[in-house]
This record gives sequence, structure tokens and C-alpha cells, in this order.
Amino acid sequence: GAVVSQHPSRVICKSGTSVKIECRSLDFQATTMFWYRQFPKQSLMLMATSNEGSKATYEQGVEKDKFLINHASLTLSTLTVTSAHPEDSSFYICSASGTSASTDTQYFGPGTRLTVL
Amino acid sequence: RKEVEQDPGPFNVPEGATVAFNCTYSNSASQSFFWYRQDCRKEPKLLMSVYSSGNEDGRFTAQLNRASQYISLLIRDSKLSDSATYLCAVSGVWNTDKLIFGTGTRLQVFP
Repeated sequence: GAVVSQHPSRVICKSGTSVKIECRSLDFQATTMFWYRQFPKQSLMLMATSNEGSKATYEQGVEKDKFLINHASLTLSTLTVTSAHPEDSSFYICSASGTSASTDTQYFGPGTRLTVL
Repeated sequence: RKEVEQDPGPFNVPEGATVAFNCTYSNSASQSFFWYRQDCRKEPKLLMSVYSSGNEDGRFTAQLNRASQYISLLIRDSKLSDSATYLCAVSGVWNTDKLIFGTGTRLQVFP
């Protein structure tokens, strides 16, 4: 199957700082990438959908100015959590899909665990 | 009402047992259905897609009931390694459509 990587896998930062998370499709071109957030013992909640070269579409209740998404190439999308606060501590997971992947679903990255002190 | 609903469990079953999970969805326009497995602190991994005719993969059987808008997952001969959270997900026709996940059902298989 297709491979999606995320970096970093874990990050701890101070309140007020910004954190950038990268999501890469390693062996296929990802026309669409999705960003999810998962709090402990809860399900994955879609934050936004990004298509290469265009602005991301954010789900209701997700602040686009706080969670900046850039999908500048077919293999890379970034999520920047700006002015992070403790309540932003969560597990952030990206997924990717594309016409070159022989699948009918999305491939998930391994996730990034963010802890804001 | 949530778009996708699951019983959170936990389901505690002995090895060798058969266990079934159901998942209901509210959007009748949904076209694609999946079961994912998620281990603690890991990303979800696709277990199987669910087709209208039902499909089987070893000990796992998935079924779709469009009229009642639910999908099911049956696990036969449970193994200790099956212990995980099982998430159902629905989306549109294309793999570029967003996935909507249920809250997941926790399964614990004991010796």
C-alpha cells in the first residue's frame, strides 16, 4: 500500500509558540490531504481538507487562522498550530489520497502527538 | 445526531469467541464504507472496505444494509491480538471525499 509519513512524531512546546507538522506521501502523488485531530478516548475529527495548490476547506468550528494548512506540492502538506495552548494538545493525523494510488480509500500517516505545556 | 454512531463498548470477550459490531450512519447519500482498526496511540489502519454484497477476509466479515443505514463487522475465533478499537467510517464515492468516523468500539479479548 501507499506510504504516508508525518514529522515530527512527537512534539512538546511551550504555550504561545507555533508548531509545524509535515505530512508527506512517499510513493504517490496526493491530490488531496486531510488533517484530523483525536483527543484521548475520542474518535478522529476531521479538521480540514486540502487540495494541492488551493486553499484548505475547514470543518465547522475549526479556526483557519489558528490551524494554518499549506499544500504546496503533490507530496507535502503542512499544518501549523499557531500560538498553541494546552487545549491544543492532541494527536494530529494526516491522510492522503490521490489518483495514482490503487486504492479506494485514504492512507494515514502515523500521527503527531502534540503536548503544549 | 452524530453522522456516524457506534457503541463505544468495551466488549470483553474470551479467546475464540465471535463478536459483532454495528455502526449506523445518517447520511443516506454515503457511498463508501470502511472498517478501521486503531491500536492505542497509533494511527487507524484499514481493516476492510464494506461492499453492498458483503465481504469476508479470513475471520472478518463485513456487511452493509443500505435500507437501515448500518454496517456491521463480525470477528470469528477472536485472538488476543484482535484487542483494539474498531472504527467505522463513511464517505462519498471518491477517495478524495472526506471520511467521517464513528467514535469507535473498544474490543478486549482475554485468555
